[in-house]
Amino acid sequence: EVQLVESGGGLVQPGRSLRLSCAASGFTFDDYAMHWVRQGPGTGLEWVSVISWNSATIHYADSVKGRFTISRDNAKNSLYLQMNSLRAEDTAMYYCAKEGHSSSGDWYFDLWGRGTLVTVSS
Amino acid sequence: DIQMTQSPSSLSASVGDRVTITCRASQSISSYLNWYQQKPGKAPKLLIYAASSLQSGVPSRFSGSGSGTDFTLTISSLQPEDFATYYCEQSYITPFTFGPGTNVDIK
Repeated sequence: EVQLVESGGGLVQPGRSLRLSCAASGFTFDDYAMHWVRQGPGTGLEWVSVISWNSATIHYADSVKGRFTISRDNAKNSLYLQMNSLRAEDTAMYYCAKEGHSSSGDWYFDLWGRGTLVTVSS
Repeated sequence: DIQMTQSPSSLSASVGDRVTITCRASQSISSYLNWYQQKPGKAPKLLIYAASSLQSGVPSRFSGSGSGTDFTLTISSLQPEDFATYYCEQSYITPFTFGPGTNVDIK
């Protein structure tokens, strides 16, 4: 079955760290770039970070730059998000998403996990 | 960053209605515009990519149009399972950005 399964979320105090994982199955993981997207409670979607298939290209949203690190292990079909110096505003459901791309060069998120909830609170 | 806006923010409609949602980008994004549907407690689901291409498995009552800065998602005949929140997203340049969403509920 083609799926993404996130894990690692939980309750954490401000200033602490957390590492999220995303396990991929059912497709050739190392053929695709992967993203993290988050959604705060009752709010919209915010793109967080992207990593290319070979980890050569990485981008972050300004809101997490310098605090979050995206990585992947293609041998383990896994994506990660190391989150340091967490803030209350990082509280959100974190989704990993597979980047699809058309033959004409369009990009989109064509497969999403169910998400893992991160709550930053003292 | 490219800002995305959507209108309306919410709408009430009946089964069988034709529904149109508009998305506008703060600068031209060519056709790098995608539409997602999200139901409560679920992950978003891709409906339309590249402004007008229907994702595999998505019913043909969904269609998209537009280019440049102005885009439209149309549901030709609203079905009970279509009550959800719809988001547009630009994939022209990072940071990829989403619209604030349009909530479609039952009239």
